[in-house]
Amino acid sequence: SQQGEEDPQALSIQEGENATMNCSYKTSINNLQWYRQNSGRGLVHLILIRSNEREKHSGRLRVTLDTSKKSSSLLITASRAADTASYFCATDFETSGSRLTFGEGTQLTVNP
Amino acid sequence: NAGVTQTPKFQVLKTGQSMTLQCAQDMNHNSMYWYRQDPGMGLRLIYYSASEGTTDKGEVPNGYNVSRLNKREFSLRLESAAPSQTSVYFCASSESVRSYNEQFFGPGTRLTVL
Repeated sequence: SQQGEEDPQALSIQEGENATMNCSYKTSINNLQWYRQNSGRGLVHLILIRSNEREKHSGRLRVTLDTSKKSSSLLITASRAADTASYFCATDFETSGSRLTFGEGTQLTVNP
Repeated sequence: NAGVTQTPKFQVLKTGQSMTLQCAQDMNHNSMYWYRQDPGMGLRLIYYSASEGTTDKGEVPNGYNVSRLNKREFSLRLESAAPSQTSVYFCASSESVRSYNEQFFGPGTRLTVL
């Protein structure tokens, strides 16, 4: 199996700044998803990007995928205190495109 | 819709005790999953059920058993709890196991084994 690795492990910024988190993976993927986890809660899906896509937007979120570098980035623009959470990338568990495997996450703190 | 529900929310066990974690979803999803999350780590898959009537091992199945009771319910059993099983357990569901499907998570069960 492969597992996405997020970078950095922790990020602290001021409200209004942009936050960028990166995810690297080892082998070819079909799909990559990003999830958010607020403290003490379950994960919530944010966005899916497929292997033939390079960029997707959803509100203040922008996700990019570079399959040649086997990496993805999640950009949160104009961050808010409510964006404080852990962010995880999830990739195919197998090249067959079945199941997901999650990285260890980036802990984002947005200071008011 | 309640989404994915889990019971109990918290549990403390002594080493060697057994317990069953319950999970139910009301989204008519085919696939269900049990994960554990240890401090500062991502999720590790314990078992999953691709469809009603099937179950398969994930990355860390040792010490656990599961039952897909029907399409809605998927339970996780610890037969003889060990301190290494202290963790937060999450149940999730999705339309199918295909990696383009969003997974929906329950609120988690915090388990401490003394």
